[in-house]
Amino acid sequence: EVQLVESGGGLVQPGGSLRLSCAASGFTFSIYWMHWVRQAPGKGLVWVSRINSDVSSTSYADSVKGRFTISRDNAKNTLYLQMNSLRVEDTAVYYCARGGAKGSGSYFWFDPWGQGTLVTVSS
Amino acid sequence: DIQMTQSPSSLSASVGDRVTITCRASQSISSYLNWYQQKPGKAPKLLIFAASSLQSGVPSRFSGSGSGTDFTLTISSLQPEDFATYFCQQSYSTPPAFGQGTKVEIK
Repeated sequence: EVQLVESGGGLVQPGGSLRLSCAASGFTFSIYWMHWVRQAPGKGLVWVSRINSDVSSTSYADSVKGRFTISRDNAKNTLYLQMNSLRVEDTAVYYCARGGAKGSGSYFWFDPWGQGTLVTVSS
Repeated sequence: DIQMTQSPSSLSASVGDRVTITCRASQSISSYLNWYQQKPGKAPKLLIFAASSLQSGVPSRFSGSGSGTDFTLTISSLQPEDFATYFCQQSYSTPPAFGQGTKVEIK
């Protein structure tokens, strides 16, 4: 069974840092692009960041650029999101999601998704 | 950046009804359009990719159509488990934007 399990969320003060993890299983993690998508309480879905299969390329939403860093460890089948200089508006459920496979030509669709981890930024 | 606009924002329907949700892109995205279903407290689930391709395991009452800027998600006969929020998403360019969602409620 293809599965993604996020962890690392919690309550943090503005200006603080948090590192999210996403453990993948049931598929060949190393050949897929991976994404983070967030959803503020009661709001819609917002793409945050992506990393390609061989870790040579990343991209970010403007709202997190320079503050968040996406990374992956293909040996451990794990995706990460390092979040620094957190703001109140970063409060959301953060989902990791699998994108397209290397060479497929289509990478920006999301299937499956993890269950999400809640990040709350508040003083 | 490409903006995605869904309509309506919410709708009320009965079991057995035919339901149509529309999604419009601010510029042409060819067929790079995906649809997701999200139930309360759960992660989104991919229903349709590339505008009209049904994801494996998704019931055939769901269908997608369109290309360019205008797209449609249709549920041919609404079932109790279909009451949820539906999001469109463009995968044509970065950032891959989502529509604001359409909540399908029980009439």
